[in-house]
Amino acid sequence: DAGVTQSPTHLIKTRGQQVTLRCSPISGHKSVSWYQQVLGQGPQFIFQYYEKEERGRGNFPDRFSARQFPNYSSELNVNALLLGDSALYLCASSRRLGEETQYFGPGTRLLVL
Amino acid sequence: QKEVEQDPGPLSVPEGAIVSLNCTYSNSAFQYFMWYRQYSRKGPELLMYTYSSGNKEDGRFTAQVDKSSKYISLFIRDSQPSDSATYLCAMISNTGNQFYFGTGTSLTVIP
Repeated sequence: DAGVTQSPTHLIKTRGQQVTLRCSPISGHKSVSWYQQVLGQGPQFIFQYYEKEERGRGNFPDRFSARQFPNYSSELNVNALLLGDSALYLCASSRRLGEETQYFGPGTRLLVL
Repeated sequence: QKEVEQDPGPLSVPEGAIVSLNCTYSNSAFQYFMWYRQYSRKGPELLMYTYSSGNKEDGRFTAQVDKSSKYISLFIRDSQPSDSATYLCAMISNTGNQFYFGTGTSLTVIP
């Protein structure tokens, strides 16, 4: 089975722009979580979606939003980009909500200039 | 105080050494404990998970949890150069939806 896939792999944007990142979970997985990983730090939780509903939100501003589609894929949107949004954005999937095992994708590396 | 504390290292050991990686946590509600390995510019890869105090072994890796001390460890025996990576601890409560990660410990195994 294919693992978690994310697109694009790399992205360069300028301040003030908007970006959309995409994630496809492992087949059979219904929960998708998004994380931001700044260089030298561990992943920071942004959102969790399960069955197309938001089930958790981390301490991120309203510029960050996400959604999950009927096929369980997900998008993360970030508006009004700031330099500090430069990071590796990781998507993780699990079979169900609250499951102790999450499987991560390779991430999308975003650079904001 | 952070939910999860992890020494960032870096840690450098000779090939064949036993490596000990550690995390402490403050939230007694955490019930599940995971260790991830992350190679440079890649996503984290799940190594092991456990939910009870005590030891869990998988090949050269042993995960240890001490809930009374809020302390978890990962031991790597006979370390190999291919083990060179950043190791992240993560934990979640049995009712929560959010994983809490440590900052990661950078490990280099020298041939």
